[in-house]
Amino acid sequence: GQNIDQPTEMTATEGAIVQINCTYQTSGFNGLFWYQQHAGEAPTFLSYNVLDGLEEKGRFSSFLSRSKGYSYLLLKELQMKDSASYLCAVVDSNYQLIWGAGTKLIIKP
Amino acid sequence: ETGVTQTPRHLVMGMTNKKSLKCEQHLGHNAMYWYKQSAKKPLELMFVYNFKEQTENNSVPSRFSPECPNSSHLFLHLHTLQPEDSALYLCASSQDPGQGSEKLFFGSGTQLSVL
Repeated sequence: GQNIDQPTEMTATEGAIVQINCTYQTSGFNGLFWYQQHAGEAPTFLSYNVLDGLEEKGRFSSFLSRSKGYSYLLLKELQMKDSASYLCAVVDSNYQLIWGAGTKLIIKP
Repeated sequence: ETGVTQTPRHLVMGMTNKKSLKCEQHLGHNAMYWYKQSAKKPLELMFVYNFKEQTENNSVPSRFSPECPNSSHLFLHLHTLQPEDSALYLCASSQDPGQGSEKLFFGSGTQLSVL
């Protein structure tokens, strides 16, 4: 079967750095997405990786290793507004999106 | 504001009621989706519409009935639901489905409680 694993919950301190990991076993690979979802709000697109390596967008970076079936989302200079759930999703060989259950990130002052 | 609007935001219904969820996208996209989001579970794709035609129905029970009158509007008609159907129902749109890099634009969802 197809599977996406990410931690259920993480806690970090304002101003610090946090890394949210995502590992996947899927039938084929055509890219990996990260979405952010604040409580009671719509998930919003953060990043898309299809090639190995690190993509940086301001305070957020996303890394992909296709050979290891692994990605992470790196958040720097954490702010209270970064408290949210972070969803990892992989596009499989049929161009279907396979979703992880999400990681709830709690930021403490 | 994502350009995708869902109503109502919250809905409480009994198992014998009939209700409808509404979604509207203002992005000019060709594809629309219904997802179910339960606590601590992955998003479950329910239905996909591409140019108003249903292209996917992921073994969803018949008590959920989608309708897509045009490429901007999507409905989910509900009847004789069960308590386990309580969840957040998300609508999404994309320019075209089946493209690996297509990102989804989501609405804020309808939080449904079935009593």
